Amino acid sequence: EPEVTQTPSHQVTQMGQEVILRCVPISNHLYFYWYRQILGQKVEFLVSFYNNEISEKSEIFDDQFSVERPDGSNFTLKIRSTKLEDSAMYFCASSSLTPGELFFGEGSRLTVL
Amino acid sequence: SQQGEEDPQALSIQEGENATMNCSYKTSINNLQWYRQNSGRGLVHLILIRSNEREKHSGRLRVTLDTSKKSSSLLITASRAADTASYFCATTRGSTLGRLYFGRGTQLTVWP
Repeated sequence: EPEVTQTPSHQVTQMGQEVILRCVPISNHLYFYWYRQILGQKVEFLVSFYNNEISEKSEIFDDQFSVERPDGSNFTLKIRSTKLEDSAMYFCASSSLTPGELFFGEGSRLTVL
Repeated sequence: SQQGEEDPQALSIQEGENATMNCSYKTSINNLQWYRQNSGRGLVHLILIRSNEREKHSGRLRVTLDTSKKSSSLLITASRAADTASYFCATTRGSTLGRLYFGRGTQLTVWP
């Protein structure tokens, strides 16, 4: 069964460092998303991406964040200068239509020290 | 806020019993979805109910939607220990492209 894959599963970084989280969405999906979940809190929307551009972003997704689809398969989230409060589980998701079912990856746990 | 809010926050039952979780939201929705999350894992889609639907079934799952009360319920019948997980409702509104607004979730524990 097709699935969304994310790497790395866990990354530890120092405050101020750049981090890139990678995702391979399901191959025939057209809509891509990043969500995050701070420990013990709600899952929060960061950004949606369609047709090679951002379609919507939340207030969390400030200038420190960027997304890219560098080729036909990868979808990346970059955090330019990490802060302690960026520590969270980051989930990539994709869907074939919208609004509809989202398929989530297993997540990348980011720990900022 | 358009986010769903689930109750109870935690539910503990015996295998074989039914588990009912509720979700309330504050604004008009396009659809409402339920997701499951095992500890430390990703979210798995369970069921989607559209705003013009009132009830939907999928295996042991039954979802209802009452748009007049802005609420939904998820019923898991004949629960199993493997159903132990967190369950989240998530809503979408028509103008957004797939953005989900999640609630805080219900932690379900099913004891063997």
